[in-house]
Amino acid sequence: GNSVTQMEGPVTLSEEAFLTINCTYTATGYPSLFWYVQYPGEGLQLLLKATKADDKGSNKGFEATYRKETTSFHLEKGSVQVSDSAVYFCALRDNYGQNFVFGPGTRLSVLP
Amino acid sequence: DTGVSQNPRHKITKRGQNVTFRCDPISEHNRLYWYRQTLGQGPEFLTYFQNEAQLEKSRLLSDRFSAERPKGSFSTLEIQRTEQGDSAMYLCASSFSGEKNTIYFGEGSWLTVV
Repeated sequence: GNSVTQMEGPVTLSEEAFLTINCTYTATGYPSLFWYVQYPGEGLQLLLKATKADDKGSNKGFEATYRKETTSFHLEKGSVQVSDSAVYFCALRDNYGQNFVFGPGTRLSVLP
Repeated sequence: DTGVSQNPRHKITKRGQNVTFRCDPISEHNRLYWYRQTLGQGPEFLTYFQNEAQLEKSRLLSDRFSAERPKGSFSTLEIQRTEQGDSAMYLCASSFSGEKNTIYFGEGSWLTVV
């Protein structure tokens, strides 16, 4: 079945540091890939997405590139801020079903 | 606010009681999803509606769980005879079939069974 694996957290960085959160997936066909962010006490918000191989999703300084050859969708940001502290979820949706499969989440803490 | 709305946001109940959660999706969205999220885990799919039809159910949705969307607008998720293992956040999400691939989540309903 479909699955998503993320690097384990928590990840603790200083403000303005470079961020990478690894995500790899297993799926049949050509899924769409997503990053969602969850701030404390809130639901999930879509951060970015990519629907086909080599697409790059970007938003709020975050980027991720759909790499079919390595089945990966790593999240990056060049300079993190304290306000980026949250839990980040990688997810996929295949082209056959309607539901999303989420990874376990990676907690990011950014220190001033 | 035109986002997905869920209530109650928090519910504490005694084991064995029934609880019901309500979800109001974004108004033009015809698809509605329920997910469950436990601490430290990602959301797990429970069920999905297109308009009023329940099209898919996860095996996680035991017979104590029932979801409805009677008029294709709001939805309810009822849990009967709650157990401590039901303690989780129940997330609702919605989407529009014309907007491929993107679903929008509500803020969730926290359930604590004591």
